[in-house]
Amino acid sequence: QVQLQESGPGLVKPSQTLSLTCTVSGGSIRSDDYYWSWIRQHPGKGLEWIGYIYHTGSTYYNPSLKSRVTISLDMSSNQLSLKLSSVTAADTAVYYCARGEPMDIADLYAMDVWGQGTTVIVSS
Amino acid sequence: ESVLTQSPGALSLSPGERATLSCRASHTVGSSYLAWYQQKPGQAPRLLIYATSKRAPGIPERFSASGSGTDFTLTISRLEPEDFAMYYCQQYDPSPRYTFGQGTKVEIK
Repeated sequence: QVQLQESGPGLVKPSQTLSLTCTVSGGSIRSDDYYWSWIRQHPGKGLEWIGYIYHTGSTYYNPSLKSRVTISLDMSSNQLSLKLSSVTAADTAVYYCARGEPMDIADLYAMDVWGQGTTVIVSS
Repeated sequence: ESVLTQSPGALSLSPGERATLSCRASHTVGSSYLAWYQQKPGQAPRLLIYATSKRAPGIPERFSASGSGTDFTLTISRLEPEDFAMYYCQQYDPSPRYTFGQGTKVEIK
């Protein structure tokens, strides 16, 4: 059973780069069966998709964040990472990694496995 | 950008009652591209429904969903204590992009 676990600094200073890692266990990010997403949730608010990556390294980002986001894969560690540059207080949120679009289930355009999330606060 | 609007914002019901949640899109959504999630405080969202009406593995039959075009509905036939939570609809745009509704809170009356 695949599990995802986010990790990274809980506090980031304004204008710096937020860097998070998601460790995947019980499955391989090399698989061509899934896309791997980052999603965030502002305090007390709804969900915002940040972007996703395929095992080929192809990335797709939310246009509203595209200029500041980089998602990448580390095959040797079975991890995906998120970098968000030039952060402000508006980037304070819980950040989730998630698996999506499993190829073995037709028409599943959604995220079917989620990490527990990690809270990031942007403050000086 | 297509926007999803969920209603009501909150629903106060008793265990055993039926819950009906609405999700309206500003543009037509393909039937394969609409999903629903449940989220409890302090937890990650859990996929309930995909492709408008298909239950995700392990989801109880009391959860059902329907809809087409711009109007979609999630129904919980008889609320169990564990069903009181936040519910989000989500659409997929093949550009690609995912967007979520603002959520409906199902609370105990």
